Amino acid sequence: QKEVEQNSGPLSVPEGAIASLNCTYSDRVSQSFFWYRQYSGKSPELIMSIYSNGDKEDGRFTAQLNKASQYVSLLIRDSQPSDSATYLCAVNPRNNNDMRFGAGTRLTVKP
Amino acid sequence: KAGVTQTPRYLIKTRGQQVTLSCSPISGHRSVSWYQQTPGQGLQFLFEYFSETQRNKGNFPGRFSGRQFSNSRSEMNVSTLELGDSALYLCASKIMGNEQFFGPGTRLTVL
Repeated sequence: QKEVEQNSGPLSVPEGAIASLNCTYSDRVSQSFFWYRQYSGKSPELIMSIYSNGDKEDGRFTAQLNKASQYVSLLIRDSQPSDSATYLCAVNPRNNNDMRFGAGTRLTVKP
Repeated sequence: KAGVTQTPRYLIKTRGQQVTLSCSPISGHRSVSWYQQTPGQGLQFLFEYFSETQRNKGNFPGRFSGRQFSNSRSEMNVSTLELGDSALYLCASKIMGNEQFFGPGTRLTVL
């Protein structure tokens, strides 16, 4: 089992829809969770961080964390074509600075 | 505030050679981490430096090494290059907590 798993996609949604990206992790004691966006040919860009169970909202983005289920998700509301990118889920297992990344989910938002 | 900078941006080497990559973190950031990104393996953690000391290390062979200087700038060295070392090498810095910010990366091609 991989430490951080994501559906590779591609995930395609129409413009204006909600895009839902999912991630599961294997280390139950993981403390910190992050979502990065990576455009083709570019480096990852931090979108959200979440540390506690529940939802965290920032503009059109909502991160959701359920530590009991070892599950973290990212919702993108009112998706725009500019949201088309690969979204990487990252987990810091024990706050030991050893970040583990999922393989990423490729999202395409169609006009 | 300037972001993380990496030099060079592109590099072509041949098998057996060695290479040194450089990273300048965001001003005030003392932690620098290095990652390798390939299509097949995704983003993989190489090592992390803090205050000139290697604080954590990923699962890479000893051909991969690094160091950090007193001004927090970091270098990564790969000796005896192999074809499989062709990748995007990313540097990320942080000031506290776990939120890392990535540089643009160095694209290394080994022929």
